[in-house]
Amino acid sequence: QVQMKETGPGLVQTTQTLSVTCTVSGFSLTSYGVHWVRQAPGKGLEWMGIIWGDGSTNYNSALKSRLSISRDTSKSQVFLTMNSLQTDDTAVYYCAERDFDFWGPGTMVTVSS
Amino acid sequence: DIVMTQGALPNPVPSGESVSITCRSSKSLLYSDGKTYLNWYLQRPGQSPQLLIYWMSTRASGVSDRFSGSGSGTDFTLKISGVEAEDVGVYYCQQGLEFPFTFGSGTKLEIK
Repeated sequence: QVQMKETGPGLVQTTQTLSVTCTVSGFSLTSYGVHWVRQAPGKGLEWMGIIWGDGSTNYNSALKSRLSISRDTSKSQVFLTMNSLQTDDTAVYYCAERDFDFWGPGTMVTVSS
Repeated sequence: DIVMTQGALPNPVPSGESVSITCRSSKSLLYSDGKTYLNWYLQRPGQSPQLLIYWMSTRASGVSDRFSGSGSGTDFTLKISGVEAEDVGVYYCQQGLEFPFTFGSGTKLEIK
């Protein structure tokens, strides 16, 4: 069955770079895309971007200058990298399968000065 | 960006009552393929969002038939027939027509 799990650093300093990994099983990254969605504490959902099965990407324009999504298909992993972090980037970061049928449990990232 | 606006519920809702959650988009979500790219999710407390409805009215796998979606190109409704304790949480609509995908601000359901 499909499983997805995010792993992140927990705490990051302001101005630093965030790296979060999504490890998937039960489907191939070359066939299905993976989204990144984040949720600030007590707030709603924000779509960040997607890496498609062919490796192409689409990003939220509000984040595009700071955001990169990549993958390692041999390890079934998708990577989110975001630079110049600020305190308002504090959020739970989720990865989700292309059709939003499956989501990981999320990883909480706190950005602190 | 397409703006998604959700209505509120008169919480708490008595168990067994039926409720409708509304969502409006700033642009028609009806695509040339005939599909309307509107999803509904439930996020239970402390959990990840769960897909309930896609293409405005198609239930996701394993979702109870108490949940139904309807609407037009810009106005949408999620109906829950006979709310139960397990339905508690925040409901989100989301458009999948164009990037960036956008979500509504959420509608909280509490049960009496």
